[in-house]
Amino acid sequence: AQSVTQPDIHITVSEGASLELRCNYSYGATPYLFWYVQSPGQGLQLLLKYFSGDTLVQGIKGFEAEFKRSQSSFNLRKPSVHWSDAAEYFCAVGAPRGYSGGGADGLTFGKGTHLIIQP
Amino acid sequence: NAGVMQNPRHLVRRRGQEARLRCSPMKGHSHVYWYRQLPEEGLKFMVYLQKENIIDESGMPKERFSAEFPKEGPSILRIQQVVRGDSAAYFCASSPGLYQETQYFGPGTRLLVL
Repeated sequence: AQSVTQPDIHITVSEGASLELRCNYSYGATPYLFWYVQSPGQGLQLLLKYFSGDTLVQGIKGFEAEFKRSQSSFNLRKPSVHWSDAAEYFCAVGAPRGYSGGGADGLTFGKGTHLIIQP
Repeated sequence: NAGVMQNPRHLVRRRGQEARLRCSPMKGHSHVYWYRQLPEEGLKFMVYLQKENIIDESGMPKERFSAEFPKEGPSILRIQQVVRGDSAAYFCASSPGLYQETQYFGPGTRLLVL
């Protein structure tokens, strides 16, 4: 069965410092990979996605993520965080087109990483 | 260009009542997903629907929960005889295609069962 692990429940970063949020997955093939951000009481906003091709993906708000097949990872990075980046971040995987390995058709999410920004 | 719309945003029910959550997908999207988010947890997939068709309901509880996406109108997630453990945020997402295209999420409905 597919699974997503976000090992850091909370991360505190100083404003202006760099950020890396970790995501590891378990899947029967190379899945589609997503990062979403959720502000308190809000829905999820897509930051970026990886389907295929270049393993370094650029997203919105200055975020990027790198897919590493050998490590089954899709870590999210930002060179300099802003106070407005404080939120909950979710990594998710989905079945690639044509995948017949079973499992649900919906996305599988990690439990999230809560990002705190220190002034 | 309106995004995914959900209503109500907040819903309070007493134990034993019914809860109806509505979701209107983005314009041009014909596929809808429902997810549940418990406190301090990630989202859990519940059901995947196309208009007039349930494609995958493997994440739905076996009893009291049902979903539909009629030819006309929004998708409905229905919870009968709610219990306190149903208190959660319920999110709807839509996508344009049949496979794992990008899913766009609505703002969610926060259900509180007293």
